Amino acid sequence: DTGVSQDPRHKITKRGQNVTFRCDPISEHNRLYWYRQTLGQGPEFLTYFQNEAQLEKSRLLSDRFSAERPKGSFSTLEIQRTEQGDSAMYLCASSPWAGEAFFGQGTRLTVV
Amino acid sequence: GDSVTQMEGPVTLSEEAFLTINCTYTATGYPSLFWYVQYPGEGLQLLLKATKADDKGSNKGFEATYRKETTSFHLEKGSVQVSDSAVYFCALSSDYGQNFVFGPGTRLSVLP
Repeated sequence: DTGVSQDPRHKITKRGQNVTFRCDPISEHNRLYWYRQTLGQGPEFLTYFQNEAQLEKSRLLSDRFSAERPKGSFSTLEIQRTEQGDSAMYLCASSPWAGEAFFGQGTRLTVV
Repeated sequence: GDSVTQMEGPVTLSEEAFLTINCTYTATGYPSLFWYVQYPGEGLQLLLKATKADDKGSNKGFEATYRKETTSFHLEKGSVQVSDSAVYFCALSSDYGQNFVFGPGTRLSVLP
């Protein structure tokens, strides 16, 4: 296992289109997190899964955002009707029951 | 809610200079504390961690001590190298690891 994998690495989309990102966590990790990072800022928490259950969602996660983790394995983050303000780096991380988070390389979204 | 404050950057040092990046936190209970590093174009990597008061985390010449009385976790390195140029993030995880909260990051530039 080579770590947390995210796909795609880069995505350019037109305003109003829907986009979906995928995250494959480290296989034995039961916790999975999504964060958003804008230029010059720290990662902002979006949502958190423990196995397949989505246990916490940030206020940042508007109704245009949805995340799933079917069967407690990979996760997807979908943004509907994208807006220019959605342009950011979307980071996925996973962790074991107690311990540090391991991050993927991120997906950079540009909405034009 | 939980929060992390760290010194504003950028910090510019000459090679072999001493580095301190201040980090203070606000949290209920007894969080775990982390320093992550982000090199240009890459994801976040764990640099070091401490899980209880008075613990010292260390890695690659960097050190930080968990000070509960001052709610601090300052990052130090005795002699920085050009290769240490990166953005450094202080972070905490609550008692139950539900979420990782990050500071805004401090950009370090080391000049030869």
